[in-house]
Amino acid sequence: DAKTTQPTSMDCAEGRAANLPCNHSTISGNEYVYWYRQIHSQGPQYIIHGLKNNETNEMASLIITEDRKSSTLILPHATLRDTAVYYCIVRVLQGGSEKLVFGKGTKLTVNP
Amino acid sequence: GAVVSQHPSRVICKSGTSVKIECRSLDFQATTMFWYRQFPKQSLMLMATSNEGSKATYEQGVEKDKFLINHASLTLSTLTVTSAHPEDSSFYICSARQGLFGYGYTFGSGTRLTVV
Repeated sequence: DAKTTQPTSMDCAEGRAANLPCNHSTISGNEYVYWYRQIHSQGPQYIIHGLKNNETNEMASLIITEDRKSSTLILPHATLRDTAVYYCIVRVLQGGSEKLVFGKGTKLTVNP
Repeated sequence: GAVVSQHPSRVICKSGTSVKIECRSLDFQATTMFWYRQFPKQSLMLMATSNEGSKATYEQGVEKDKFLINHASLTLSTLTVTSAHPEDSSFYICSARQGLFGYGYTFGSGTRLTVV
């Protein structure tokens, strides 16, 4: 079962920052948080991941709360091409194996 | 960056036949690859974890005799849907981890399977 919960949908104006929240209250100390997005009928695209510290790359920023029970993905200047389903995922480690279990994601619509 | 190639992108097959889907890591070696299935308007569901040189690990409820996985090399994993039925029609996606724990996972572009 997915260890994350996200809002079903969000809207954002083009050019504004999009802040996508995610709750992962049962996350374990060694489990990373990953963010991916999926545009219709394509494979998921990697955005960013982190463990405890905030992370930033050319696509987005990831803010993880100190207790690690939630995080926020920030797209600083959303464009129409950022319209997609965004998945927040906790990588599960079990008995030496690993897996990414997807939740339902947030459908982000960027409006002109 | 890391690239995972999936082939074919679309396939239509007759009910009762088998279909093989290939997943290749193009510029890195992947000891572990993952296979997902996605039905329309739903999220990705993990089917199995493919380990190079050993048997795949299937998620609960996934029939291992129906979805055969082979990971014969560090750059290739295959998923064969045997005796396909219309309910197997779905979007199949593979992914691979580049490098050690803590790195990102790269996904293929997916295979749209339609069983008629």
